[in-house]
Amino acid sequence: GQQLNQSPQSMFIQEGEDVSMNCTSSSIFNTWLWYKQDPGEGPVLLIALYKAGELTSNGRLTAQFGITRKDSFLNISASIPSDVGIYFCAGPSSNTGKLIFGQGTTLQVKP
Amino acid sequence: DTGVSQDPRHKITKRGQNVTFRCDPISEHNRLYWYRQTLGQGPEFLTYFQNEAQLEKSRLLSDRFSAERPKGSFSTLEIQRTEQGDSAMYLCASSLMGDTEAFFGQGTRLTVV
Repeated sequence: GQQLNQSPQSMFIQEGEDVSMNCTSSSIFNTWLWYKQDPGEGPVLLIALYKAGELTSNGRLTAQFGITRKDSFLNISASIPSDVGIYFCAGPSSNTGKLIFGQGTTLQVKP
Repeated sequence: DTGVSQDPRHKITKRGQNVTFRCDPISEHNRLYWYRQTLGQGPEFLTYFQNEAQLEKSRLLSDRFSAERPKGSFSTLEIQRTEQGDSAMYLCASSLMGDTEAFFGQGTRLTVV
C-alpha cells in the first residue's frame, strides 16, 4: 500500500536556526498536507499543497510540492521554542479524503 | 465555530470494559473521520462517514469497534471489551466533501489497565 517516509526522524537545533525536513512516497500524490502536533493534542494543519512544483508559505513556514509528485519539503526559518513538536506530512489515499500519514519528524529547539 | 471537539480528552478503563467517545465536527463539514494514533506513529485511518453513512472501514477496526453518526452531525466511537492493545490516542477529523483539508480535534487518550 501507499506509505510516506519522513526524514529526519528527529532534529535538535538551536533557536534561530533554519530547519528543513522532507517526505517521500513510492506513489504519486495529488495533494500534500503538513501538520504539526503538540504533545497530547491533535494535529493542526499548517500548509496544503495542490500542484506539482508549488511553493507555499505560512509565516516562517514554507512547503514545496515536488515536481515528481512523490515528495514534499517543509522549511522553517528562524526557529523559536514554540516550533517544538512533531511535524507530519499527509496525503489523500483516495477520493474519500482518507489521509495517509508519515511517521513524523520530531523537532526540539534549544533556547 | 470552535473547530472539531472531542470528549472526553482522557479515559482510563479496566480491561474488558466498554468505552464510548464522542466527536462534534465543524458544523458545515459533511465528512467525518476517525483515526488512531499510537506512540511514535502517525495517525492511522479507522473509518469515515459522509453525512450519516459510514462509507469505509479499515481492517484495523475489529468487530469490537463500532462507530455511528446518526443524524449526520456528531459521531460516536464505541470499543467493546477493551484490551490493553486498544490504548492509543483516538482522533476525529472533519472536512467538506471534495476537500482534502481535514481538521482534527484534540483527541481522546485511552488507557486500558
